Amino acid sequence: EVQLVESGGGLVQPGGSLRLSCAASGFTFSSYDMHWVRQATGKGLEWVSGIDTASNTYYPGSVKGRFTISRENAKNSLYLQMNSLRAGDTAVYYCARGFGGGDSAIFDYWGQGALVTVSS
Amino acid sequence: QTVVTQEPSLTVSPGGTVTLTCASSTGAVTSGYYPNWFQQKPGQAPRALIYSTMKKHSWTPARFSGSLLGGKAALTLSGVQPEDEAEYYCLLYRGGAWVFGGGTKLTVL
Repeated sequence: EVQLVESGGGLVQPGGSLRLSCAASGFTFSSYDMHWVRQATGKGLEWVSGIDTASNTYYPGSVKGRFTISRENAKNSLYLQMNSLRAGDTAVYYCARGFGGGDSAIFDYWGQGALVTVSS
Repeated sequence: QTVVTQEPSLTVSPGGTVTLTCASSTGAVTSGYYPNWFQQKPGQAPRALIYSTMKKHSWTPARFSGSLLGGKAALTLSGVQPEDEAEYYCLLYRGGAWVFGGGTKLTVL
């Protein structure tokens, strides 16, 4: 059974840093792209970052230069390092499984999310 | 910056059919945008329904189908059930980035 479990959320002051983790199980982690998606309370979904199997990384303009996605295949883990946090970064952060090659689905499995609150 | 637009809200009667659409500010949506559709209910993580325009996941009910319609990606629900009341999001791939639509609140009434 595919499982994605986020951890590391919490309260952080504006300008601070936080690192989220996503523990993956039930599939060959190293063979899949992975993504982070966030959702502010009462708002829509926003793609935050992606990493492919070669560890090439992708970001939207809203977080580029502040957030860093990385992976550690030996530990079946995905990370999101978030720096220079702002109130607008307050959201639930989800990790999601991406493309796995061939005709595989994308964004098929999601974790339950980790809440990040940026406030003084 | 690509903007993806969905209907903010739609209402459908039980047993009816409804089509949700997903438009891109960059022009007509094609299969190269790899349209995805997700369903989200309050307090839950998003659930994937459709990928690559029309492909279904193993858990996607048969009443959900994806297509391209008039330059937009579309999600059609046929024989709507009360449990289909939810927020629906589309997701498009454009220029190395993924962009979500603002979501459609579907009410079954």
